[in-house]
Amino acid sequence: GENVEQHPSTLSVQEGDSAVIKCTYSDSASNYFPWYKQELGKRPQLIIDIRSNVGEKKDQRIAVTLNKTAKHFSLHITETQPEDSAVYFCAGTSGTYKYIFGTGTRLKVLA
Amino acid sequence: DSGVTQTPKHLITATGQRVTLRCSPRSGDLSVYWYQQSLDQGLQFLIQYYNGEERAKGNILERFSAQQFPDLHSELNLSSLELGDSALYFCASSVRGAGALGEQFFGPGTRLTVL
Repeated sequence: GENVEQHPSTLSVQEGDSAVIKCTYSDSASNYFPWYKQELGKRPQLIIDIRSNVGEKKDQRIAVTLNKTAKHFSLHITETQPEDSAVYFCAGTSGTYKYIFGTGTRLKVLA
Repeated sequence: DSGVTQTPKHLITATGQRVTLRCSPRSGDLSVYWYQQSLDQGLQFLIQYYNGEERAKGNILERFSAQQFPDLHSELNLSSLELGDSALYFCASSVRGAGALGEQFFGPGTRLTVL
């Protein structure tokens, strides 16, 4: 069935360093790839997204890259700050109607 | 605030009981999604409705059911509750439910505890 794999499950970085989270998807028809940030006990919130007709998108310290051939996409956070500490979820679309989420990456930014 | 509301915020009940979780989507959003998030787990897609019709099903148990009403609010019914049903249940809405899918807006969630 449809699947989105996400790695790593946990990631610790020093403040100011970069963090990279990777996802692979199985549905070749998937055309929309959002990234959500979820702080403890809070709702997931969209931080960046990319559509399949674009290879890269950047928003200040956050960027997402997409490789359709390899069916993987990555989240890049530069100059990490303590407030970046959270769980990050990637997702891909499946069929016409639904989203499949990755299992999440717990990012810890060490001060 | 995403504009998506969920009630109640917390629910504590006993095994074997039945509960109803309610969600009101953002104004103008026709699509509603339900997700289950167990402790330290990812978001498990349960079911999606678009303008009153069921459009997609995920790993939803037969003990669970949902519906979307004409005013577009949705309810998730959980019956014969088991300890393992304890989780955070999120509702999300989006403008479109098909075709070029876009951003989902999540509600604050309902934390269900089954004792």
